[in-house]
Amino acid sequence: DAGVIQSPRHEVTEMGQEVTLRCKPISGHDYLFWYRQTMMRGLELLIYFNNNVPIDDSGMPEDRFSAKMPNASFSTLKIQPSEPRDSAVYFCASSFDREGETQYFGPGTRLLVL
Amino acid sequence: KNEVEQSPQNLTAQEGEFITINCSYSVGISALHWLQQHPGGGIVSLFMLSSGKKKHGRLIATINIQEKHSSLHITASHPRDSAVYICAVGNAGGTSYGKLTFGQGTILTVHP
Repeated sequence: DAGVIQSPRHEVTEMGQEVTLRCKPISGHDYLFWYRQTMMRGLELLIYFNNNVPIDDSGMPEDRFSAKMPNASFSTLKIQPSEPRDSAVYFCASSFDREGETQYFGPGTRLLVL
Repeated sequence: KNEVEQSPQNLTAQEGEFITINCSYSVGISALHWLQQHPGGGIVSLFMLSSGKKKHGRLIATINIQEKHSSLHITASHPRDSAVYICAVGNAGGTSYGKLTFGQGTILTVHP
């Protein structure tokens, strides 16, 4: 299996622009997670899905952030409008729907908002 | 919300030394994860455990549910073990099942 796939790997954009990050989970995995990592705050969970349904989005920083999972093999995280403080590495992870199952992380998208 | 504390924050060792990284958490969990993040940024899941001990090569992870504490041990450390080691706990029950709360990480540097 190719593992969790994220695109783009790097994104540089200007403040105010819309940014869309994409994730393809490992086939057969039922959970999908979006994380953000910054130097100041470390790793943070933004939102997670189970069987394509958002379960907990309490980590989404504000209304500028939205996430969707239209099917089992694709998810997006959108920031509109983007701000410099959104600059971070965004990771997607997936896991099987079993108790305490380990999560598999994608390579991350490094976002820089100027 | 669970609070996760790791110690030490920074750790420097000489090649061959035995290394221990600790993780404490505040409330009940479904599972505890140890992750490794290399200087290039990629994250690898090392262990997921909910009780007892697990071993993989030179890495050993233990957890004490009663004391809400876990340790990650590295035997015969090597410079390639240099990375950030992150403890994460999955909150037990309800809609937070599987949701991870992360520690701040331990930066390990192993010198040859």
